[in-house]
Amino acid sequence: GAGVSQTPSNKVTEKGKYVELRCDPISGHTALYWYRQSLGQGPEFLIYFQGTGAADDSGLPNDRFFAVRPEGSVSTLKIQRTERGDSAVYLCASSLMGTSDEQYFGPGTRLTVT
Amino acid sequence: KNEVEQSPQNLTAQEGEFITINCSYSVGISALHWLQQHPGGGIVSLFMLSSGKKKHGRLIATINIQEKHSSLHITASHPRDSAVYICAVRFGGAQKLVFGQGTRLTINP
Repeated sequence: GAGVSQTPSNKVTEKGKYVELRCDPISGHTALYWYRQSLGQGPEFLIYFQGTGAADDSGLPNDRFFAVRPEGSVSTLKIQRTERGDSAVYLCASSLMGTSDEQYFGPGTRLTVT
Repeated sequence: KNEVEQSPQNLTAQEGEFITINCSYSVGISALHWLQQHPGGGIVSLFMLSSGKKKHGRLIATINIQEKHSSLHITASHPRDSAVYICAVRFGGAQKLVFGQGTRLTINP
């Protein structure tokens, strides 16, 4: 079956612009996670959805970052007024129920802010 | 502070060698994951464990809850094992994963 997909795979944008990154989780997975990975570092947690609601958004770095999952499947990570420091690979993962389930990762979106 | 430390950061070995990558964490956890990331590729989950030992092919993962330590072993290493190996833990009742910085493994033929 299809795994987690993310679009676009690469995004180059100018400083100050708005971007949207999309994640399609595995069908039937209720838990969805966004992570950010800077070059040479391990991923860092951004936000976790259980169904349509954000159960934990403690990793969002500031109010320029926002994520939605209106129908409990596809999620969009939105970044306003992008800054060069936002450049990273943004990873999405999903799991069946959350809690102690294994997480399945997407290929990531590489965001470059110039 | 909930922290995850991996060692070594970089490891180069010859094909066939036995490989060990270590992960230590600061406080009690509910689960520990070992992940593999190839250059330019996505992350693949290798193991999820909360106690004892798991084996899959040439890979073995162990965890010692009392010592707050886990190891990932690769037997009969092969160049295709070259990748970044990442340890990630779920602390207490939290849902999010906290990741180590990764270990870059290079296996030379």
